[in-house]
Amino acid sequence: EIVLTQSPGTLSLSPGERVTLSCRASQSLSSTYLAWYQQKPVQAPRLLIYGASGRATGIPDRFSGSGSGTDFTLTISRLEPEDFAVYYCQQYGSSPYTFGQGTKLEIK
Amino acid sequence: QVQLQESGPGLVKPSETLSLTCTVSGASIRSYYWSWIRQPPGKGLEWIGNIYYGGSTNYNPSLKSRVTISVDTSMNQISLKLSSVTAADTAVYYCARGTYGGDYWGQGTLVTVSS
Repeated sequence: EIVLTQSPGTLSLSPGERVTLSCRASQSLSSTYLAWYQQKPVQAPRLLIYGASGRATGIPDRFSGSGSGTDFTLTISRLEPEDFAVYYCQQYGSSPYTFGQGTKLEIK
Repeated sequence: QVQLQESGPGLVKPSETLSLTCTVSGASIRSYYWSWIRQPPGKGLEWIGNIYYGGSTNYNPSLKSRVTISVDTSMNQISLKLSSVTAADTAVYYCARGTYGGDYWGQGTLVTVSS
């Protein structure tokens, strides 16, 4: 099973700042089968990025993903108030499809 | 517009079987893979398994001995059964379109395992 480790666990930032979240895999992912989700309280996760860098439908272009192999990042170029949430990465290249433990973005 | 709606008992007794249904509207069951994912209260996400309409399934080995996912094409529904539940199976259960999760998710349903 591929283990995904996200860092940091929590980030305290202000609206307008740029942020980069990290997701590291315990082994290299086949192709770039990595997704990023945003989850707000009592809501289902929302797909942001698939294939490591493809933006899902309706996702603002301030969200971008990159990476390959074992190291992946999600960047939010300029934080909006609605971006404060928990972010999860998920690999879907090797079953079972595992999630990282999440990074919480909180308002400073 | 694609919508998924989970339904089923919110309380299940230990050792019994958890049974949930996901009703899909706005998309044909036949056209996609469908997944179940769960999230214990205050914790992270766990992929349970997926199914294609023809019946092909793929389960998380950690749950494989207890899980059955099935599809009812006539009702456009996907079902999840998890047997021999314990308190550790208390979670919000989500259905989603795709092999791994993906772009459309239900709102989730909380299932509590307690006597």
